[in-house]
Amino acid sequence: GQNIDQPTEMTATEGAIVQINCTYQTSGFNGLFWYQQHAGEAPTFLSYNVLDGLEEKGRFSSFLSRSKGYSYLLLKELQMKDSASYLCAVLDSNYQLIWGAGTKLIIKP
Amino acid sequence: IAGITQAPTSQILAAGRRMTLRCTQDMRHNAMYWYRQDLGLGLRLIHYSNTAGTTGKGEVPDGYSVSRANTDDFPLTLASAVPSQTSVYFCASSEGTSGTGELFFGEGSRLTVL
Repeated sequence: GQNIDQPTEMTATEGAIVQINCTYQTSGFNGLFWYQQHAGEAPTFLSYNVLDGLEEKGRFSSFLSRSKGYSYLLLKELQMKDSASYLCAVLDSNYQLIWGAGTKLIIKP
Repeated sequence: IAGITQAPTSQILAAGRRMTLRCTQDMRHNAMYWYRQDLGLGLRLIHYSNTAGTTGKGEVPDGYSVSRANTDDFPLTLASAVPSQTSVYFCASSEGTSGTGELFFGEGSRLTVL
């Protein structure tokens, strides 16, 4: 079967750096997405990786290793507003999105 | 800019009743999707549409139907609601149909079936 694994919950301190990992086992790969979802709100797009390596976008960076079936989202200079769930999703060989259950990130002052 | 509008925001429904969740987009996107989100699970695709006049089944289509009469509207109907359909439902759209593009989500419809 197809599987996306992310930690259920993480806690970090305001101003610090946090890395949220995502491992996947899917039938084929056509890209990996990260979305942010604040409690009670809609998911919003953060990043899309299809090639190996690190892509930086402001305080957020996303890394992909296709050979290891692994990605991470790196959040720097954490702010209280970064408290949210972070969803990892993989586009499989049929171009269907497979979603992880999400990682709830709690930021403490 | 409205983006995607869903209605109702929240609804409590008796089992066996028929319910339609409405979704309208103003971005002229080709593809539209309905997902359900349950605690501890990833988003699961119910139905999708790549263009007006066509629809397809997702991962969990049973008990749901959709229509796509025009580009903007994509309603989801529960013919006879059951308690297992209690969930948060998200409508989404994307400009392209390849799946590689960003998804834009509505604010969600929280449905409780008693």
